[in-house]
Amino acid sequence: ETGVTQTPRHLVMGMTNKKSLKCEQHLGHNAMYWYKQSAKKPLELMFVYNFKEQTENNSVPSRFSPECPNSSHLFLHLHTLQPEDSALYLCASSRSSGSPHQETQYFGPGTRLLVL
Amino acid sequence: QKEVEQDPGPLSVPEGAIVSLNCTYSNSAFQYFMWYRQYSRKGPELLMYTYSSGNKEDGRFTAQVDKSSKYISLFIRDSQPSDSATYLCAMRAGFGNEKLTFGTGTRLTIIP
Repeated sequence: ETGVTQTPRHLVMGMTNKKSLKCEQHLGHNAMYWYKQSAKKPLELMFVYNFKEQTENNSVPSRFSPECPNSSHLFLHLHTLQPEDSALYLCASSRSSGSPHQETQYFGPGTRLLVL
Repeated sequence: QKEVEQDPGPLSVPEGAIVSLNCTYSNSAFQYFMWYRQYSRKGPELLMYTYSSGNKEDGRFTAQVDKSSKYISLFIRDSQPSDSATYLCAMRAGFGNEKLTFGTGTRLTIIP
């Protein structure tokens, strides 16, 4: 396991529910990411936070709402999701520094989400 | 055309064989190339990291980058059943650009 943890590991929710995914990194990194991984598709970058500031929103529907209260924690708030949102949601972190070789992203184990 | 093309497989080879995994890409700005390994029900873990063209070797793994052909490869020697996983290529452009572009992943099974 890496130094990135995610909870819950599995989540089943109805289309009218509200839930949140949590990510925590113990690596001292300052950048955090949310990705969506669907079968037979490349990982899709959803959001990027750098020093708690959102630096990228990849045209993600508003039913996904990220929150980054500090450099170690990242949340993804979910509401009124659709069945096609069922996927593995991965959190990653990296260290933005003076060396590009330190900007490698490290991933958590993911949250397997099923929307009914 | 996808920015990164990767054969999804599945690929099955006997134990001890040499495995070759490949990706092609279209964006000439990519300079940093990575291979991630993802076991079932786990997140991707970084396996190899290469900057620009050339080879890099780490134990049984060798990563090759040919920027002139926009082609990267991962070779696994003396493959083991524990190498069975999905292998994702990833790449990004210049320094300071955090965005990684991934291939779809190749699912590999090593048969004992």
